[in-house]
Amino acid sequence: QSVLTQPPSVSAAPGQKVTISCSGNSSNIGKNFVSWYQQFPGTAPKLLIYDNNKRPSGIPDRFSGSRSGTSATLGITELQTGDEADYYCGTWDSSLSAGVFGGGTKLTVL
Amino acid sequence: EVQLEQSGVEVKKPGESLNISCQGSGYYFSTYWIAWVRQMPGKGLEWMGIIYPDDSDTRYSPSFQGQVTISADKSISTAYLKWNSLKASDTAMYFCARRGVRASYMDVWGKGTTVTVSS
Repeated sequence: QSVLTQPPSVSAAPGQKVTISCSGNSSNIGKNFVSWYQQFPGTAPKLLIYDNNKRPSGIPDRFSGSRSGTSATLGITELQTGDEADYYCGTWDSSLSAGVFGGGTKLTVL
Repeated sequence: EVQLEQSGVEVKKPGESLNISCQGSGYYFSTYWIAWVRQMPGKGLEWMGIIYPDDSDTRYSPSFQGQVTISADKSISTAYLKWNSLKASDTAMYFCARRGVRASYMDVWGKGTTVTVSS
């Protein structure tokens, strides 16, 4: 059972937009910045979004992030088949004094 | 280029000890926290613990406290994850990752070390 809650899967057609939710509580998302990671099978996770809505250099602006209260959302526009991957949210939990992740969401681009 | 180079595949028997490593390059290793993350087969990411190489200040997730030991040798820019007595349930991919400016994200990841524990 992950500390942060994500839907197990989402899907959308190429060219469309999809959002992935991440729910936490006042000790984690409610108090700390949120990050998002993309992971393809057999590879390491890659940072997509940090500080709720910032993109590292090289990440296209099709990827966006937001936070409201104790929830966060990753948005992906203009979906491509190459976006099919697992997506994880993460943050710091001030009560646990530890990092935490969501359970991951598998994105299928139909 | 900032990189984290992890040690290779490990195949061990239950009860054996193991030390895997993560060597940083392209940045000042001592002053960035290094985290370890577990991914069991077909499962999600689990944050295990983190170390600040400059003074070896270490924090563990409650789930992993007492199960593993995280250490670092800043003189060779390397962090370690150690088990004293492996169990079959330790079979997983283990990633090291550099913490960003804030504790809430990890900006550089190693490629991972596969650990298989089987009799």
